[in-house]
Amino acid sequence: DIQMTQSPSSLSASVGDRVTITCRASQSISSYLNWYQQKPGKAPNLLIYAASSLQSGVPSRFSGSASGTDFTLTISCLQPEDFATYYCQQSYSTPYTFGQGTKVEIK
Amino acid sequence: QVQLQESGPGLVKPSQTLSLTCTVSGGSISSGDYYWSWIRQHPGKGLEWVGYIDYSVSTNYNPSLKSRLSISVDTSENQFSLKLSSVTAADTAVYYCARVSSSGYYNWFDPWGQGTLVTVSS
Repeated sequence: DIQMTQSPSSLSASVGDRVTITCRASQSISSYLNWYQQKPGKAPNLLIYAASSLQSGVPSRFSGSASGTDFTLTISCLQPEDFATYYCQQSYSTPYTFGQGTKVEIK
Repeated sequence: QVQLQESGPGLVKPSQTLSLTCTVSGGSISSGDYYWSWIRQHPGKGLEWVGYIDYSVSTNYNPSLKSRLSISVDTSENQFSLKLSSVTAADTAVYYCARVSSSGYYNWFDPWGQGTLVTVSS
């Protein structure tokens, strides 16, 4: 199975901050990487697919990038509604696997 | 706009079979353009892909669950279902159904159902 490792596991940030979350794959997965946002008691919501494509309806402050087996989700200007847990997921091969999550908390 | 909704018992006894159904509305499960998937989340933990099925009943299961798992589709009801046998407390989780959307070889889970908590306990 392909292991996905996110860092950090949690972070504290203020409204207006630029936030970066990293996801590293245990092997090459090209650009087969998706990002989801999950709020407490809710289902995950797709933000980014194919490493850098913004899902329709998702604010442009969210962006994704890739470099080798390292992937980055960036929130350019953190908003109150962005406090949530973020997961990466590889779709290169089955079994599809997720990172362990990064919880973004209010500083 | 496609919506998914899970249904099924919230409590299952150990060694029994967990059965859930996902009803798809706003689109046809038979369209052939998508796979239909189950994903679970243990309490307070991360996400685990369970498996998927397409309209032609071709399936792909997580090897960690394959021996106990069956996913089926009912096109007449626009539903797909999960059956997980011989459950233990380790199968206690929120179970989500989701559509697997794709563009070329890229695919992703969207949209998701709201999720249903299944507790395995006597």
